Amino acid sequence: AQSVTQLDSQVPVFEEAPVELRCNYSSSVSVYLFWYVQYPNQGLQLLLKYLSGSTLVKGINGFEAEFNKSQTSFHLRKPSVHISDTAEYFCAVGSFQGAQKLVFGQGTRLTINP
Amino acid sequence: EAGVVQSPRYKIIEKKQPVAFWCNPISGHNTLYWYLQNLGQGPELLIRYENEEAVDDSQLPKDRFSAERLKGVDSTLKIQPAELGDSAVYLCASSLGAPTRDTQYFGPGTRLTVL
Repeated sequence: AQSVTQLDSQVPVFEEAPVELRCNYSSSVSVYLFWYVQYPNQGLQLLLKYLSGSTLVKGINGFEAEFNKSQTSFHLRKPSVHISDTAEYFCAVGSFQGAQKLVFGQGTRLTINP
Repeated sequence: EAGVVQSPRYKIIEKKQPVAFWCNPISGHNTLYWYLQNLGQGPELLIRYENEEAVDDSQLPKDRFSAERLKGVDSTLKIQPAELGDSAVYLCASSLGAPTRDTQYFGPGTRLTVL
């Protein structure tokens, strides 16, 4: 079975500052990894995903994440955040082996201060 | 292209009452999911459909929850009777196929409050 740990429940940053949201996973098989964003009163929207190949994945809205197999991590980064990035961010893990479902982390609330 | 549609957006009921949620997935998406999202938590899968077949309902509390997906398109999730602990957001999602590889598209959710 897979599991996901998002190491920070809340991350406050100032506008135009860089940000990193941390995600660690546990799995005994090869994994697919996802970052989703949830704006207030909305459903989740895919930011980016890693399936295979290059470990640096670029997504929408200027976000990117790096898959690190040795560290079992998939941290999300953005070099300069905007007020509009204020939202809840979820890391998720899945695999083509075993249970065919995504397991989501508990989320990180990103708050951007002017 | 229309996204995943859910209704109602909000529902307030007394405990022991029944409640139903409806979901219309993205056209052409064979796989449909119902998730439960408690406050401050990530979504947890309740049930997954491949067309009209429920292929994973292992996390669905079958004593009070039921779901159906007639004709492999729309789906309904029902709770009867509702309990206080059922207060949460119920999310519907759909994807083209492979649940762990293909992107899942989420609806806005139904926020249920049980009094």
